[in-house]
Amino acid sequence: GQNIDQPTEMTATEGAIVQINCTYQTSGFNGLFWYQQHAGEAPTFLSYNVLDGLEEKGRFSSFLSRSKGYSYLLLKELQMKDSASYLCAVMDSNYQLIWGAGTKLIIKP
Amino acid sequence: TAGITQAPTSQILAAGRSMTLRCTQDMRHNAMYWYRQDLGLGLRLIHYSNTAGTTGKGEVPDGYSVSRANTDDFPLTLASAVPSQTSVYFCASKGLADYNEQFFGPGTRLTVL
Repeated sequence: GQNIDQPTEMTATEGAIVQINCTYQTSGFNGLFWYQQHAGEAPTFLSYNVLDGLEEKGRFSSFLSRSKGYSYLLLKELQMKDSASYLCAVMDSNYQLIWGAGTKLIIKP
Repeated sequence: TAGITQAPTSQILAAGRSMTLRCTQDMRHNAMYWYRQDLGLGLRLIHYSNTAGTTGKGEVPDGYSVSRANTDDFPLTLASAVPSQTSVYFCASKGLADYNEQFFGPGTRLTVL
């Protein structure tokens, strides 16, 4: 079966750094996406990785290791507005997205 | 630019009634998707359409139907609603390339009583 695992909830302090992990087992791999979803809102795109390594985009970075079936999202200089759920999704062999349940990130002042 | 819109925003529906959730995009995207999101679960694909005139079944298609008469619209119909269809429904669209991200509508919160 296909499976995406990520922690249910994490807590971090404003100004700090947090790493959200995602492990996956899917039928085929055509890229991994990270989305942000604020409570009561739609998911919005953060990053896409298809090759191994780190992709940096401002305060957010995403890492991929295809051999380990592993990715992480790194958030630096945390702000209160970063309180949200972070969704990991893998594009499988049929080019459909398989979604993790999401990690709720709580930022404390 | 509106992007992708959904209607209604929320709805309470009696079990056994039918309902159509509307989704319209103005980005000329070929692919469109319907997901449901339930607490503690990831987004689950209900139906998809890779291009106008074609549709496909996702992970949880039972009890739902879709049509794609044109590029812009992708309605989702519940023929006879059941309480287990209580959920938040998101419509999404995507451009041609594999690396294109999906853009999501604001969602429809549906309660079936």
